[in-house]
Amino acid sequence: AQSVTQPDIHITVSEGASLELRCNYSYGATPYLFWYVQSPGQGLQLLLKYFSGDTLVQGIKGFEAEFKRSQSSFNLRKPSVHWSDAAEYFCAANQAGTALIFGKGTTLSVSS
Amino acid sequence: GAVVSQHPSRVICKSGTSVKIECRSLDFQATTMFWYRQFPKQSLMLMATSNEGSKATYEQGVEKDKFLINHASLTLSTLTVTSAHPEDSSFYICSARDQRGGSEQYFGPGTRLTVT
Repeated sequence: AQSVTQPDIHITVSEGASLELRCNYSYGATPYLFWYVQSPGQGLQLLLKYFSGDTLVQGIKGFEAEFKRSQSSFNLRKPSVHWSDAAEYFCAANQAGTALIFGKGTTLSVSS
Repeated sequence: GAVVSQHPSRVICKSGTSVKIECRSLDFQATTMFWYRQFPKQSLMLMATSNEGSKATYEQGVEKDKFLINHASLTLSTLTVTSAHPEDSSFYICSARDQRGGSEQYFGPGTRLTVT
């Protein structure tokens, strides 16, 4: 069955430190891959997406993600975290025309 | 571009009543819309896929008669929670796929349903 796994439920990072959120997928063929951010009580905001081509994808708010086919991974990174980055982060995947499958999410806390 | 709205953003209803949630694509036409449900501190779970002019496809475990989905036009899908109970309280989010193709989906801001 197709699935998206986010191994880390909760991560705490100091403000100004770097961040990496992990995401692994299980699909028959390489899916399209997405990272979303959700603040409490809010909808989803798309951070970045990977369809094909360059495996390092740049997104909004200084985020980037790297697709690694050999590891079935699409990890999200940010070189320097800001307190406003504290939120819930979801990795998601789909194939053409189908619904997104979401990981369980990673809660990011930022300490001062 | 690619804006999806949901109405209402919040609704409180009494047990046993029905509630309708609208999902609209404002600047594009969507042949396919998706409805997700999100419990507190949990991920989004797909409830159903809504195709314009045809019956919705429900995920396993989702009651079709309880969660009525109608996709009567290329810009509007509705989810009606019938005979709502407190356990139906949740955050409902829709997304829409542009009929011109592509794999990106555009999400609405969500509707917080509380059943008392």
